[in-house]
Amino acid sequence: GENVEQHPSTLSVQEGDSAVIKCTYSDSASNYFPWYKQELGKRPQLIIDIRSNVGEKKDQRIAVTLNKTAKHFSLHITETQPEDSAVYFCAARNSGGSNYKLTFGKGTLLTVNP
Amino acid sequence: GAGVSQSPSNKVTEKGKDVELRCDPISGHTALYWYRQSLGQGLEFLIYFQGNSAPDKSGLPSDRFSAERTGGSVSTLTIQRTQQEDSAVYLCASSRATRSTEAFFGQGTRLTVV
Repeated sequence: GENVEQHPSTLSVQEGDSAVIKCTYSDSASNYFPWYKQELGKRPQLIIDIRSNVGEKKDQRIAVTLNKTAKHFSLHITETQPEDSAVYFCAARNSGGSNYKLTFGKGTLLTVNP
Repeated sequence: GAGVSQSPSNKVTEKGKDVELRCDPISGHTALYWYRQSLGQGLEFLIYFQGNSAPDKSGLPSDRFSAERTGGSVSTLTIQRTQQEDSAVYLCASSRATRSTEAFFGQGTRLTVV
């Protein structure tokens, strides 16, 4: 089955700096890669996703890159703000056939220091 | 409702008792996922439903855990003879079963076994 590794487990940056979180996956058939943000005591919410036919996607201060050959993808947050502090999860899903299992990495606790 | 609904929000039970956790997915979402999140930990996959069938139940920790889904809608996760290590937040998510669509999470059920 799919295995998703996520690094680092914790990340502390100064406000205004950039943050990068990296994930690798094992199943070459995976073709959908979402990123979720979970604030303390709240449910995970999607912030950006990328499909396997795209190498990069950007939404304001957030961008995700995908390298299918190396089977890794990354989340980039620029100009970080204190409200970006949260746990971030990457995930991978094989949406082929009838199997839509969504596998998550173990999460990265991002702290943005004012 | 507009979102994924889980009940109860909180459950305190005595060790050895059985508990049932309920998930009501977004209407029309045929894919349904159960995850477990222990304090400060990641999203541990438990089981995935496609319609009423469970193509992947590989994450269920032991035979004390079971889940069912009826009518392609509501799902129930049952834990028999609860143990203290079962204490966690149980999250349910649902999505459309198409190539690359967002999975929406419920608010979770916080289970405490005393």
